Amino acid sequence: QKEVEQNSGPLSVPEGAIASLNCTYSDRVSQSFFWYRQYSGKSPELIMSIYSNGDKEDGRFTAQLNKASQYVSLLIRDSQPSDSATYLCAVNSNAGNMLTFGGGTRLMVKP
Amino acid sequence: DVKVTQSSRYLVKRTGEKVFLECVQDMDHENMFWYRQDPGLGLRLIYFSYDVKMKEKGDIPEGYSVSREKKERFSLILESASTNQTSMYLCATEFNPNQPQHFGDGTRLSIL
Repeated sequence: QKEVEQNSGPLSVPEGAIASLNCTYSDRVSQSFFWYRQYSGKSPELIMSIYSNGDKEDGRFTAQLNKASQYVSLLIRDSQPSDSATYLCAVNSNAGNMLTFGGGTRLMVKP
Repeated sequence: DVKVTQSSRYLVKRTGEKVFLECVQDMDHENMFWYRQDPGLGLRLIYFSYDVKMKEKGDIPEGYSVSREKKERFSLILESASTNQTSMYLCATEFNPNQPQHFGDGTRLSIL
């Protein structure tokens, strides 16, 4: 069973819409949650960190964490074609105290 | 800002060669990691290190070794390169497991 799961996509949204990316995890005592953006051929770039239940906003990005339901999501408002990338969810799993990455969701924002 | 520098962006080697991939970080992080990334397979952990001279196997260590003689430098070694090791290799560092990992630019390695 995968510890961190994401829908591989592609998720296609029109320019200006809200893109919603979801991630579920299996370790109930996970404490740290991260979203990375990865453009094709490039390395992952950290865009959001979240540690507590609720919402955390940074510009057009909002991370949402629900520990009871074991999911974390990323909302991108006013999506732009430059947001087209693969988004990786990463969760600190206390089993071995390692950061575990999901497989990523490919987002396509169409002009 | 954390800076993680990988020695080469693109590298072409021949089968059977010994290949060294270097990673240097400037933030005094204890923890360093080597991943490979292939289409459809996501990030796969090869080796990691929590301290100088310390190394631990990740999920796919076969065919690889590592060296960490200094805190800032973590090297990945392909002892005898094979074509199935053609991949994107990513180095990452972290301050501790509750903090994010920071990645280098990656090395796209082709083994011919």
